[in-house]
Amino acid sequence: DVKVTQSSRYLVKRTGEKVFLECVQDMDHENMFWYRQDPGLGLRLIYFSYDVKMKEKGDIPEGYSVSREKKERFSLILESASTNQTSMYLCASGPWDTGKKLPQHFGDGTRLSIL
Amino acid sequence: DQQVKQNSPSLSVQEGRISILNCDYTNSMFDYFLWYKKYPAEGPTFLISISSIKDKNEDGRFTVFLNKSAKHLSLHIVPSQPGDSAVYFCAARRTGGFKTIFGAGTRLFVKA
Repeated sequence: DVKVTQSSRYLVKRTGEKVFLECVQDMDHENMFWYRQDPGLGLRLIYFSYDVKMKEKGDIPEGYSVSREKKERFSLILESASTNQTSMYLCASGPWDTGKKLPQHFGDGTRLSIL
Repeated sequence: DQQVKQNSPSLSVQEGRISILNCDYTNSMFDYFLWYKKYPAEGPTFLISISSIKDKNEDGRFTVFLNKSAKHLSLHIVPSQPGDSAVYFCAARRTGGFKTIFGAGTRLFVKA
């Protein structure tokens, strides 16, 4: 069974702190994604990666960076946390789309509160 | 600019009846559409998908209909069960694209 694991379910940090959110997948997927979910806004893509050390900005990358040193691990970094980054963060992975229509698989999310 | 829109934030249905969740999209390049279901404190789970070469796809109680000319898709759940109560996200992709675009979600309540 596919598995995407996010390191923390709940996290509370202070304004200005550097925050690391970790995600690991065991499906040997090429693609990994970070989203945030906010009420009324759905899932918005922050960053994604299609290979080790490769990264692409999503729709809302400001204030975030990512790291992908190994295929199975994708980290989201809040460089200097702010209160407007309080949200549910969701990691997902998916196979390289060679024409086969295949869905992404999500982790259970990290609810991050910035005080 | 929302490319995938779910205009109903919530829907309430009696157990045993049909639930119909709607979704509209604006990008005619989308050729693959998905529905995800999300319970509180869990990540979204894939439910059903449809390719743009089809207009209907069924999987048990779940059927997705696609109307390309209207840029509209819908998810039908028959019969609805209390365990179906969740947030449902509509999503869309285009061939060769990495990104999946999600709608804002519709919260479904199925009353026993």
